[in-house]
Amino acid sequence: AQTVTQSQPEMSVQEAETVTLSCTYDTSESDYYLFWYKQPPSRQMILVIRQEAYKQQNATENRFSVNFQKAAKSFSLKISDSQLGDAAMYFCAYTSGNTPLVFGKGTRLSVIA
Amino acid sequence: NAGVTQTPKFRILKIGQSMTLQCTQDMNHNYMYWYRQDPGMGLKLIYYSVGAGITDKGEVPNGYNVSRSTTEDFPLRLELAAPSQTSVYFCASSYVGPRMGEKLFFGSGTQLSVL
Repeated sequence: AQTVTQSQPEMSVQEAETVTLSCTYDTSESDYYLFWYKQPPSRQMILVIRQEAYKQQNATENRFSVNFQKAAKSFSLKISDSQLGDAAMYFCAYTSGNTPLVFGKGTRLSVIA
Repeated sequence: NAGVTQTPKFRILKIGQSMTLQCTQDMNHNYMYWYRQDPGMGLKLIYYSVGAGITDKGEVPNGYNVSRSTTEDFPLRLELAAPSQTSVYFCASSYVGPRMGEKLFFGSGTQLSVL
């Protein structure tokens, strides 16, 4: 079964600084998709960024970017110019073929003013 | 556009009671999912459906049942509630499903406590 591992239960970053959240996954598939979801205290699940495994180029969305290393099965999220509103739980997730979305355990990000 | 609507938002059950968590989507999505999120943990799949009349088990189906009689509705039934079912429950939906890597649309969640 596919698994997603987030090795950092908690992280903190100073406002305006950059932080990187780590994620590794295990799969035997060659075609799959990876996601980062944000969950603020409101409990809402918000899609941050999506990566297609067959694309070499790393996905970016404004201040959010990923470092996708397919051979290493690594998918880290970089948040630049961190803002107070970035404080949340961040979940890495994987899906492929007929496999519904599989989530990691999450990383709680604190932003220090 | 309401999206994915879950009711209730909060519920307290006594051990052994039963209840149904409601989930409705108005986006004509084929795929619907139920996840549970335990404190400090990620989301785990309970059941999912690829269309009306079709359901399948996820990672943690024990103690739950689902049905999908219409495209819009995907209720989750808890029979004989146990403290281990204390969790936040999320319903989600998508149109074309995991093969196309489509993002999920989530409801706002139901906080359930079993005491």
